[in-house]
Amino acid sequence: GAVVSQHPSRVICKSGTSVKIECRSLDFQATTMFWYRQFPKQSLMLMATSNEGSKATYEQGVEKDKFLINHASLTLSTLTVTSAHPEDSSFYICSARHLAGGPNEQFFGPGTRLTVL
Amino acid sequence: GEDVEQSLFLSVREGDSSVINCTYTDSSSTYLYWYKQEPGAGLQLLTYIFSNMDMKQDQRLTVLLNKKDKHLSLRIADTQTGDSAIYFCAEPTGGGNQFYFGTGTSLTVIP
Repeated sequence: GAVVSQHPSRVICKSGTSVKIECRSLDFQATTMFWYRQFPKQSLMLMATSNEGSKATYEQGVEKDKFLINHASLTLSTLTVTSAHPEDSSFYICSARHLAGGPNEQFFGPGTRLTVL
Repeated sequence: GEDVEQSLFLSVREGDSSVINCTYTDSSSTYLYWYKQEPGAGLQLLTYIFSNMDMKQDQRLTVLLNKKDKHLSLRIADTQTGDSAIYFCAEPTGGGNQFYFGTGTSLTVIP
C-alpha cells in the first residue's frame, strides 16, 4: 500500500513551453502533497505544499507564477512549469501524506526528470 | 530545520558495517527519518525513530539518536552491494508537514 506515482517519468521540452507533471496517490487519499526539486548530487529542496481544494503554499524563493500547483482531488496534484527554461531542468519529486495520519510519514513518487533544451 | 548536515561520501567493503551520520536542528521534531535513493529513482523510506527513543533496530538497520547533541546515525550491518545508494536523513517541521532533508550521503559498497 501507500504507492505514489508520477507522470511522466521523463520529459524533454523546448525552452518557452510549459510542462505538466502529475502526482497521484494510487491506493490512499492525501489531503496534502508536497513538491520537491533535486539538482544533481544535491539534496531535495521543498518547493511547495499542496492542499486539496486550496491554494498551494510556496517556499521562500519559489516563484508561484512559474510553478503552478493544482490539487484538484484527494489523489491528484499537478505541477506545471510555465515557460520553461534550461535552468528549470531538474528532478522533480512529489510526496503525499496519508489522510489517516501516521508518524508524519510521507510517501514519495519515483520522480520526473525534466530537461529543457 | 533548514540545516540538516551529513557527510557526503562513504565507502565500505561488502560485509562490513556502514555508519551514516546526520546532525539536525529542530529539537521539537517528533520523528526523524532515514530515506534511501537509488540512481534515478525516488525516495524509499528505510526507517524512522520516535524522538523519545535512543535506539531502534530493524533487521540490518540500527538507528541511534542523541537528542542532546541533535545527532542521528544509521548503521547498516553486513553491507551489501545493493545498499549502494544515497541516504538522506529528514526531519519534519512546521507542525509535521514540511520535511527538511539532509545533504545526503552517497554510500559505495566495494565488492
